[in-house]
Amino acid sequence: AQRVTQPEKLLSVFKGAPVELKCNYSYSGSPELFWYVQYSRQRLQLLLRHISRESIKGFTADLNKGETSFHLKKPFAQEEDSAMYYCALSLGGATNKLIFGTGTLLAVQP
Amino acid sequence: DGGITQSPKYLFRKEGQNVTLSCEQNLNHDAMYWYRQDPGQGLRLIYYSQIVNDFQKGDIAEGYSVSREKKESFPLTVTSAQKNPTAFYLCASGHESSGANVLTFGAGSRLTVL
Repeated sequence: AQRVTQPEKLLSVFKGAPVELKCNYSYSGSPELFWYVQYSRQRLQLLLRHISRESIKGFTADLNKGETSFHLKKPFAQEEDSAMYYCALSLGGATNKLIFGTGTLLAVQP
Repeated sequence: DGGITQSPKYLFRKEGQNVTLSCEQNLNHDAMYWYRQDPGQGLRLIYYSQIVNDFQKGDIAEGYSVSREKKESFPLTVTSAQKNPTAFYLCASGHESSGANVLTFGAGSRLTVL
């Protein structure tokens, strides 16, 4: 069955520390993976997707098919990075169904 | 303000009553989705629609119904058969980009059953 796992409910780091939000997926097809972010009192929005291979707000994520992972990383956390982060898997094809993980709350302490 | 509009923002319902949540988009997106967001459970897919007059069940469709008569609108009805309807409901529309849908979300509707 298709599944997205985010093992950490809460990740607390100090400003300037590196951040890694973990995401693992289970899917027999060709995965299309995303990170969505929800800042306080704002709508859920797309942060980045793996095929873009770009850095958004200093965040990057690399798809590792061997480990079935798509971890989100940032070398130096900022207080404004504090938010809820969701990893999502698109099944693509005819369904274009999008499955989300349970989310990780990132708290960046000053 | 273009995008997705969900209404009402807050809704209270008595047990045994059906309630309909509205979702309207002006982004000209073909796909629309309904998710339920509960603490510790992330977003769970209720229903989704790829095109007008067609929709598919998601992972937790029981006790819910939808319609897609217009491209812009995808209302969700929470029926009395839904055993635990108190939740935060998110609507999204999606546009296809490089083989997958990228979603734009509404602000959500919080339903409380009294």
